[in-house]
Amino acid sequence: EAQVTQNPRYLITVTGKKLTVTCSQNMNHEYMSWYRQDPGLGLRQIYYSMNVEVTDKGDVPEGYKVSRKEKRNFPLILESPSPNQTSLYFCASSPRVLDEQYFGPGTRLTVT
Amino acid sequence: GEDVEQSLFLSVREGDSSVINCTYTDSSSTYLYWYKQEPGAGLQLLTYIFSNMDMKQDQRLTVLLNKKDKHLSLRIADTQTGDSAIYFCAETPGGNTGKLIFGQGTTLQVKP
Repeated sequence: EAQVTQNPRYLITVTGKKLTVTCSQNMNHEYMSWYRQDPGLGLRQIYYSMNVEVTDKGDVPEGYKVSRKEKRNFPLILESPSPNQTSLYFCASSPRVLDEQYFGPGTRLTVT
Repeated sequence: GEDVEQSLFLSVREGDSSVINCTYTDSSSTYLYWYKQEPGAGLQLLTYIFSNMDMKQDQRLTVLLNKKDKHLSLRIADTQTGDSAIYFCAETPGGNTGKLIFGQGTTLQVKP
């Protein structure tokens, strides 16, 4: 089944403890992106990748890192999480930039 | 910077038409999208329109684009309870950049 998977789906952690949220797609898509969703703010783009080894900042990249070593994986790394990074995170992929994006199920992160 | 604005809430009766509005600031946007998010799920693309089009119809959905006023609308004919969801408009600022800017989302409530 064609899909975007994210792990974990739910995570509660403490300030400063490094964490990684994985994202994987099995559709051979070139483009991948991370978003965070907060009430009243909609979705805001964190980072995106047009292809392997190519990543760019979105609107809210501070406090996040990404890597794209393989086409299928696009992990989101929080080196030192803070409470203001408590949010619902979505990974998405598309065949190419501007194509329809396919979203993962979301990861709900709470940082205390 | 780029900005996309939507009203936060719309309530309609089943069978009526729904019109969800969106305004954007980037006059060089090439693609504009409507995504739907059902409770507890990721986003799914409903429809999109190229910036050189005025209107696009797809079954019960009609998208209208007024480039002069930078206004986008989504009309859902014969709204059903299954249409209850959050609707996001999104734009790609400045063409093929990889960025995608979302509005805050409009929660559509359909009353039986």
